[in-house]
Amino acid sequence: GAVVSQHPSWVICKSGTSVKIECRSLDFQATTMFWYRQFPKQSLMLMATSNEGSKATYEQGVEKDKFLINHASLTLSTLTVTSAHPEDSSFYICSAPRDSHNEKLFFGSGTQLSVL
Amino acid sequence: QKEVEQNSGPLSVPEGAIASLNCTYSDRVSQSFFWYRQYSGKSPELIMSIYSNGDKEDGRFTAQLNKASQYVSLLIRDSQPSDSATYLCAVKLMAGANNLFFGTGTRLTVIP
Repeated sequence: GAVVSQHPSWVICKSGTSVKIECRSLDFQATTMFWYRQFPKQSLMLMATSNEGSKATYEQGVEKDKFLINHASLTLSTLTVTSAHPEDSSFYICSAPRDSHNEKLFFGSGTQLSVL
Repeated sequence: QKEVEQNSGPLSVPEGAIASLNCTYSDRVSQSFFWYRQYSGKSPELIMSIYSNGDKEDGRFTAQLNKASQYVSLLIRDSQPSDSATYLCAVKLMAGANNLFFGTGTRLTVIP
C-alpha cells in the first residue's frame, strides 16, 4: 500500500527558532500534499495545500510567511514553522492522495511540535 | 455552521456490543465520505469510504449514508477493546477537490 513518511515524529524547540518538517511519499508520486494541524482534543484543520512546482495554497487565517511550504519534487514536501512560539505547539500531519483520481488520503505519522 | 459535525462523546460500549457513530454534514453537494480511526498521538488511518446512499459493509464495520438527510454513520459490530480510539468523519465537499473536511471526532471506549 501507499506509504507517506513524515519526520521528525516529535520536536522540542525554543521560542523564536524555526522547525522544518518533511513529508515524503515512498512508493508513489504526489503532485499534491496537504498539511494539517491538530490541537489537543480537536479535529484536523487543513492549513495548506502543497503543489509540486508551484506555490502552496493556504487556508484562511494561516500565515504563509510563518508556515513556509516547499514542494520541490514529486515525493517531498516540507513545512517550516518560522520563529516558532508556544502557541504553535501542535500536532502537524501531512497527507497525500495516491493519484489525482484517488480520493483516499494517506497520512504521515505526524509531528508533535512543542515550543518552549 | 460547521461543515462536518460529530458528537464528541465519549461513547462507551461493552465488549461485543455494537458501537454506533454518527456524523452530519452541511454541504449538499458533498461527494465522498470517509471514516478514519485515530489512536492517541497517532495519525488517522482510513477505515471506510462510502459514496452512494445505503450501506457498505467491510468486516465488522458498516458505513451508512443518507444524502437526503446529510447523514453518515459507522457501525462497529462485536466491538473489541482495540477499537477504542477517536473516529473521525471526513467529507469531500466539492467535486474535483482533494482536500477533506474533518469532524471533531468521537471518542469510543470499548469496555472489556
